[in-house]
Amino acid sequence: KQEVTQIPAALSVPEGENLVLNCSFTDSAIYNLQWFRQDPGKGLTSLLLIQSSQREQTSGRLNASLDKSSGRSTLYIAASQPGDSATYLCAVSPNTGFQKLVFGTGTRLLVSP
Amino acid sequence: DTEVTQTPKHLVMGMTNKKSLKCEQHMGHRAMYWYKQKAKKPPELMFVYSYEKLSINESVPSRFSPECPNSSLLNLHLHALQPEDSALYLCASSQVAVLRGGNEQFFGPGTRLTVL
Repeated sequence: KQEVTQIPAALSVPEGENLVLNCSFTDSAIYNLQWFRQDPGKGLTSLLLIQSSQREQTSGRLNASLDKSSGRSTLYIAASQPGDSATYLCAVSPNTGFQKLVFGTGTRLLVSP
Repeated sequence: DTEVTQTPKHLVMGMTNKKSLKCEQHMGHRAMYWYKQKAKKPPELMFVYSYEKLSINESVPSRFSPECPNSSLLNLHLHALQPEDSALYLCASSQVAVLRGGNEQFFGPGTRLTVL
């Protein structure tokens, strides 16, 4: 059974810092990996999608990498801002059922002014 | 238009009530999803519709009844719910075809359901 873990569970940083969020998964047979952010009580916003054949994706200040063989992905946020405060979720789509997203446990990020 | 809309935003219902949650998208996606999210937990998949047909049911109790009347709409009918069903219900949509290189899922804002 695929299990997805995110470390750290919570992170508090001052504005301007560069930071890395980690995601690990137990089964490397994935179709893709998606990073989301979720504001309290709100829906999920898709940030980046990395196909299994890709190594990284970039969008603005965000960069996500994927090492499928080791079961790891990282989300790098450059020059963090208070507006980045949210919960960040990674989710993998297994080869056996690509429509099924298996979510990680999330990282709660707080960026202080 | 990359938006998924959900109504209502909040719903309070008794255990004997019947209510429905609605979801709509106009991105031309042919896969639509229902997820349930409890507080401080990740979303859990409930149902998947592909081309308006139910393709995945994650062993959800029959008091939850999904319906996909057309390619843009997805409903979740609720009947005889329990207090433990209180949660945020999220709808999502995506392309279906794997070969197009993406089943990136786009989520709506959710419906906050409280069962008394």
